[in-house]
Amino acid sequence: GESVGLHLPTLSVQEGDNSIINCAYSNSASDYFIWYKQESGKGPQFIIDIRSNMDKRQGQRVTVLLNKTVKHLSLQIAATQPGDSAVYFCAENSETGGFKTIFGAGTRLFVKA
Amino acid sequence: GAVVSQHPSWVICKSGTSVKIECRSLDFQATTMFWYRQFPKQSLMLMATSNEGSKATYEQGVEKDKFLINHASLTLSTLTVTSAHPEDSSFYICSATVLGPKNEKLFFGSGTQLSVL
Repeated sequence: GESVGLHLPTLSVQEGDNSIINCAYSNSASDYFIWYKQESGKGPQFIIDIRSNMDKRQGQRVTVLLNKTVKHLSLQIAATQPGDSAVYFCAENSETGGFKTIFGAGTRLFVKA
Repeated sequence: GAVVSQHPSWVICKSGTSVKIECRSLDFQATTMFWYRQFPKQSLMLMATSNEGSKATYEQGVEKDKFLINHASLTLSTLTVTSAHPEDSSFYICSATVLGPKNEKLFFGSGTQLSVL
């Protein structure tokens, strides 16, 4: 199977601070990108998505930034809360190989109260 | 809406036995479902694409004879791990797509933790 990276870096932030989680994607042909949140023992949960014709998209307390030049995605979480503690994955979707979603390495976010 | 149910949540089996995992789309029809596996502290790795009424498409390195996928209806895909061994112990997650032919927005099941003794 495909996967972008096998390491799981950790980010620790204080409750109320803003969090920034970064991701490098692999396929320059990818045109749709998604951030997922995964809590322990559960399946991934959709957070926010962005298409390749955009460089920024905002949701509730979350913002995704896309830099296609360097194939980089970031997820910004405003006023981080303890309930935000989880593993966050970026994922990319492209026509390559038939429209499938490939996950990035993931980042574990710890929110300290 | 867009609920994906996966069963069982966890299973323990003896080495050499086969285990079947079910993935159901409860309130929508899914012509395409995806199966992922996840080892501890690692990312999700795509195993195969399950297409209703046709053979699954497996990713490179995934043994199709070991991981049998059946997608007989628009709401059910099954993954059977045949002759399971301890190295098959993993978290298996299915997903289904709701919108359009690009399989973009995925909804995930809650996963199945398989432990092979």
